[in-house]
Amino acid sequence: EVQLVESGGGLVQPGGSLRLSCVVSGSSFSDYWMSWVRQAPGKGLEWVANIAQDGTEENYAASVKGRFTISRDNAKNALYLQMNSLRAEDTAVYYCAAGYGWLVDYWGQGAPVTASS
Amino acid sequence: EIVLTQSPGTLSLSPGEGATVSCRASQSVTSNYLAWYQKKGGQPPRLLVHGASSRATGIPARFSGSGSGTNFTLTISRLEPEDFEVYYCHQYAHAPLTFGGGTRVEIK
Repeated sequence: EVQLVESGGGLVQPGGSLRLSCVVSGSSFSDYWMSWVRQAPGKGLEWVANIAQDGTEENYAASVKGRFTISRDNAKNALYLQMNSLRAEDTAVYYCAAGYGWLVDYWGQGAPVTASS
Repeated sequence: EIVLTQSPGTLSLSPGEGATVSCRASQSVTSNYLAWYQKKGGQPPRLLVHGASSRATGIPARFSGSGSGTNFTLTISRLEPEDFEVYYCHQYAHAPLTFGGGTRVEIK
């Protein structure tokens, strides 16, 4: 069974930075496209970014492009999201997600991020 | 960017009734790469349907998806108590990937 565990969430001031991590176990990490999806309080789901199995392709939502960077380390079975220039509207639960293509099959439990002074 | 518009925003129904949720795309979704997810409170989303009409592993037969191109539908044939949640459509054909705004199915 594939398990995804996020870490690194927390409280940060607007304009600050935070890095989320996600460790995958139970299957071959390098087989998966990996994604980040978020849900702001009281709002719907928003896709944030994804990255190819070998890291050679990345895609981003317009709302985070230029501020967030997705990356992965296949040797460590780990996915990352570097978030810079955080805004209040980035406050959300961030889910790590995996799939054989762009469709997400597996999800983590989520990491809360709050951008507030 | 493909914009997905779900309707209605809220459905008020009783257990045993059928539910129909619509999802309209601003442009054609290639290969009908349209999925439906169920979201319960603080839990991660649960994949119900992919490829517009293929039920995901372990999903009960009362859930079905249909449609193609720009118009898609999720149907729940007979609502069970555990089905009163929020449902999202999601296109995974074109970057950036996008979700619909969600439909809440509530107990009448």
